[in-house]
Amino acid sequence: EAQVTQNPRYLITVTGKKLTVTCSQNMNHEYMSWYRQDPGLGLRQIYYSMNVEVTDKGDVPEGYKVSRKEKRNFPLILESPSPNQTSLYFCASNPTGSNQPQHFGDGTRLSIL
Amino acid sequence: LAKTTQPISMDSYEGQEVNITCSHNNIATNDYIMWYQQFPSQGPRFIIQGYKTKVTNEVASLFIPADRKSSTLSLPRVSLSDTAVYYCLVGDVGSGGYQKVTFGTGTKLQVIP
Repeated sequence: EAQVTQNPRYLITVTGKKLTVTCSQNMNHEYMSWYRQDPGLGLRQIYYSMNVEVTDKGDVPEGYKVSRKEKRNFPLILESPSPNQTSLYFCASNPTGSNQPQHFGDGTRLSIL
Repeated sequence: LAKTTQPISMDSYEGQEVNITCSHNNIATNDYIMWYQQFPSQGPRFIIQGYKTKVTNEVASLFIPADRKSSTLSLPRVSLSDTAVYYCLVGDVGSGGYQKVTFGTGTKLQVIP
């Protein structure tokens, strides 16, 4: 089954404790993206990647890091999480071309205390 | 980067046609317009996309006027299961084909029995 898998689905942690949210897709897609979703603000793109070792900032990259060492994986790293990063996070992938629909994961709900 | 504006919410009775309009005044020549649907606790799901004029699939129709500064998603004969948030998205193809996308804040559609 074609899918985008995020882990964990839920996480409660404390300020400053490094965490990684993993994202994996099994569709051999070149593009992958991370979004955060907050009430009243919709979905905002954090980082995106065109292919292995190629990443770029989205609209809200501050406080986040990403890496793309393999085509299928695109982890989101919070080196020193803060409460304002409490949010619902989505990973997405799609084939080459901006007019190709994105496939989204089921989301990761992070709470930073 | 084109930004989008949508109504925050809409109500409709079952069986009616629903039209949701999205404004994207600064859309660029190469940008495509896509619409996604999101149910609570799930990632967005692609519905339809277009570049200009009208596009129709088994789920919805998309109307885009000649100036492309807006688009209208049309859902025929909605049912309770169509209650969701609908996002308008404009994709920006930068140099080298990098994908940077902007979601609107979404329109929460409530279908009433």
